[in-house]
Amino acid sequence: GDSVTQMEGPVTLSEEAFLTINCTYTATGYPSLFWYVQYPGEGLQLLLKATKADDKGSNKGFEATYRKETTSFHLEKGSVQVSDSAVYFCALTRMDSSYKLIFGSGTRLLVRP
Amino acid sequence: GAVVSQHPSWVICKSGTSVKIECRSLDFQATTMFWYRQFPKQSLMLMATSNEGSKATYEQGVEKDKFLINHASLTLSTLTVTSAHPEDSSFYICSARKGWEYFGPGTRLTVT
Repeated sequence: GDSVTQMEGPVTLSEEAFLTINCTYTATGYPSLFWYVQYPGEGLQLLLKATKADDKGSNKGFEATYRKETTSFHLEKGSVQVSDSAVYFCALTRMDSSYKLIFGSGTRLLVRP
Repeated sequence: GAVVSQHPSWVICKSGTSVKIECRSLDFQATTMFWYRQFPKQSLMLMATSNEGSKATYEQGVEKDKFLINHASLTLSTLTVTSAHPEDSSFYICSARKGWEYFGPGTRLTVT
């Protein structure tokens, strides 16, 4: 079945460091791909998305490119801030008629001043 | 925008009582809403799909008689945890579909 695999956390970085959180997926067809962010004690916020191969989603300095050949959607940011500390979830939509979201396990990011 | 709210944000109840959680889409109509459960430091588990005007569709392993879902209008879905027990303590998150899924802030339920 469809699935999403994320790198295990926590990821600890110093402020202004470069961030990469790896995400790979298994799916039949061509799912849409998402990154969601969850700040402590809150629900999920859509960070960015991509709907077809080679699309690049971007928002708030974060980017991710839909790579069909490597079935990946890695999240990157050139210079992280303390306020980016959160849990990041990679997700895809099922390719059946339900279009339900399938989430990865989440990666916790901690940015130190 | 696409704002989804939940109420209450946190609730404590005694074992054996029932608790109702509301999910509202504030600035759009949503024929489909979803309810998720999240355990500490874990991912989201889809519990059910709530469809306006019809019965909810539950995921495998979710007790429909324990987690009652009602989607009475295009902007409101409710989740009622009946006869709650400590193992039902969790973070419950709803989402509403407007093209993509937009999530509420979550409700933390603690059953004592």
